Amino acid sequence: DGGITQSPKYLFRKEGQNVTLSCEQNLNHDAMYWYRQDPGQGLRLIYYSQIVNDFQKGDIAEGYSVSREKKESFPLTVTSAQKNPTAFYLCASNKGWQGAVSNQPQHFGDGTRLSIL
Amino acid sequence: SQELEQSPQSLIVQEGKNLTINCTSSKTLYGLYWYKQKYGEGLIFLMMLQKGGEEKSHEKITAKLDEKKQQSSLHITASQPSHAGIYLCGAAATDSWGKLQFGAGTQVVVTP
Repeated sequence: DGGITQSPKYLFRKEGQNVTLSCEQNLNHDAMYWYRQDPGQGLRLIYYSQIVNDFQKGDIAEGYSVSREKKESFPLTVTSAQKNPTAFYLCASNKGWQGAVSNQPQHFGDGTRLSIL
Repeated sequence: SQELEQSPQSLIVQEGKNLTINCTSSKTLYGLYWYKQKYGEGLIFLMMLQKGGEEKSHEKITAKLDEKKQQSSLHITASQPSHAGIYLCGAAATDSWGKLQFGAGTQVVVTP
């Protein structure tokens, strides 16, 4: 079955450490997204990518970095510059950004919960 | 940016009773998505609404988008334990369908 796989499910970060969250999809989707979810708050967009080798900052990109070298993969790195990284991180994808497929719903992975040691 | 307000923040409903969740936007909605989330898990897509006055149903869940396209409601008929979870609305911005804004979510608890 096609879907989005996020790993690991739980991750712990030490002070000054960068950590990378994995997101892989086999849905043949062009667009991929990273969101952060904090308790009692909605999802906030960190980064998004419309196509391979291209990505854009979302609303809260500071302290995060991404890459999109393959269509299937969109890893998120939480850098030491992100002073409050404790949150639930969700990756999503959909068929496309513009045109006839742009309104297709985003499909989500099961999330990664990041905590500080 | 678009602001989405969901109400209520949480609700407790007895099994078999109906419930309604509202999602109100500060701007015209160009696409409205309803998702369900269980704690610690990803979002499951429920329904998408685009046209003013549109109404969609799936099993016992009905969603509507009002004529002015600034409010959507999600109604569950005869609630069951499987309906428990967090319901979130997400809306497309005017200039880009891809960038969704989400409401804070409504937590639904179904009691026996």
